[in-house]
Amino acid sequence: RKEVEQDPGPFNVPEGATVAFNCTYSNSASQSFFWYRQDCRKEPKLLMSVYSSGNEDGRFTAQLNRASQYISLLIRDSKLSDSATYLCVVNEASGGSYIPTFGRGTSLIVHP
Amino acid sequence: EAGVAQSPRYKIIEKRQSVAFWCNPISGHATLYWYQQILGQGPKLLIQFQNNGVVDDSQLPKDRFSAERLKGVDSTLKIQPAKLEDSAVYLCASSLIPTSGRAGDEQFFGPGTRLTVL
Repeated sequence: RKEVEQDPGPFNVPEGATVAFNCTYSNSASQSFFWYRQDCRKEPKLLMSVYSSGNEDGRFTAQLNRASQYISLLIRDSKLSDSATYLCVVNEASGGSYIPTFGRGTSLIVHP
Repeated sequence: EAGVAQSPRYKIIEKRQSVAFWCNPISGHATLYWYQQILGQGPKLLIQFQNNGVVDDSQLPKDRFSAERLKGVDSTLKIQPAKLEDSAVYLCASSLIPTSGRAGDEQFFGPGTRLTVL
């Protein structure tokens, strides 16, 4: 199975900081990309999809670099409530369906 | 709208015993996934169904794990016999079939079943 790599962290930042996570993938034919957020002992939830042109949702910006095979997530003005694990997901096309592969996640701790 | 339902929420068994997990996806979601998440790792896809057909089960340890999705709705995942290394959270997720032009769709996860094998 193709690999999806993330720096596990933890990233320990003060409130108000800007923090960025990268995720690299090995399959150049990967079709779609997502960031999920997982709180401690909870299920993952979609944070945002990642489009080729890049996309922004409030304090969060996601970008895709197909040439270098990585996606990024930028969080501006970090809040205490942003503390969580951020999971990168890459979908590969297979026989008319899409098979997801999760990275191991990057842990973010935002402190006062 | 009701979310993905899973049961039981917690299960403790001894090694070599059997265990089964149940999942009911969001109504109308054709794709159903079972994941294994070991502490400190990301979810690992065990099996993916589209309706009642298997799309991918390449990472399912077929000597001990089995899954079915009869009638294309709810699903069960079974482990027989369990090993110590099967201790993990088993997550079920569902999604719509990707519409034209969209490569994949949002997955909605259930709360998971936390399995401890002693």
